[in-house]
Amino acid sequence: AQSVAQPEDQVNVAEGNPLTVKCTYSVSGNPYLFWYVQYPNRGLQFLLKYITGDNLVKGSYGFEAEFNKSQTSFHLKKPSALVSDSALYFCAVRPDTGRRALTFGSGTRLQVQP
Amino acid sequence: EAQVTQNPRYLITVTGKKLTVTCSQNMNHEYMSWYRQDPGLGLRQIYYSMNVEVTDKGDVPEGYKVSRKEKRNFPLILESPSPNQTSLYFCASSYRHGAYEQYFGPGTRLTVT
Repeated sequence: AQSVAQPEDQVNVAEGNPLTVKCTYSVSGNPYLFWYVQYPNRGLQFLLKYITGDNLVKGSYGFEAEFNKSQTSFHLKKPSALVSDSALYFCAVRPDTGRRALTFGSGTRLQVQP
Repeated sequence: EAQVTQNPRYLITVTGKKLTVTCSQNMNHEYMSWYRQDPGLGLRQIYYSMNVEVTDKGDVPEGYKVSRKEKRNFPLILESPSPNQTSLYFCASSYRHGAYEQYFGPGTRLTVT
């Protein structure tokens, strides 16, 4: 069975500081990995994905994520946080073959203080 | 504008009264899916559809039905809602299943009393 762990319910960071939101996964075979963001009273929005190739993936709004196969991790990062980055972040995984659906983590709330 | 729409956005109903939540996308996507979001559990897939007339169960299908008669529409049907189906529901679509990102609707908050 595939699974995603987001070990932190909430991450607090000061504006201008770097941020990291952690994600580890378990899947049979090679993974497709995604990050989504949810703002209050909105649906999820796609941020970035890892399919294959370069382990460092760049996405929307200055976010990036690093795929680490040996540690089965896909942590989301940003060099300089903005107050407007405050939201709920979800990591998701599915295998690169078959009909298995996306499995989402439980989410991490990012709070950026001014 | 490319989008996924859901209706209604908010619904309060009573146990056993059949209801339908509509979902429509204007991007000609093949893949559509329904999720429910519950605190601390993330999103869990209810049903999905690979294309017209092709639907299959997700991780939590009990108590739900779907249909895909047209490519753009994927309604979620609760034949006899129960209080444990109180949740936030999202419809999503993607070009195809697999490596493609999903586009999510704005959500439907359902309360069953």
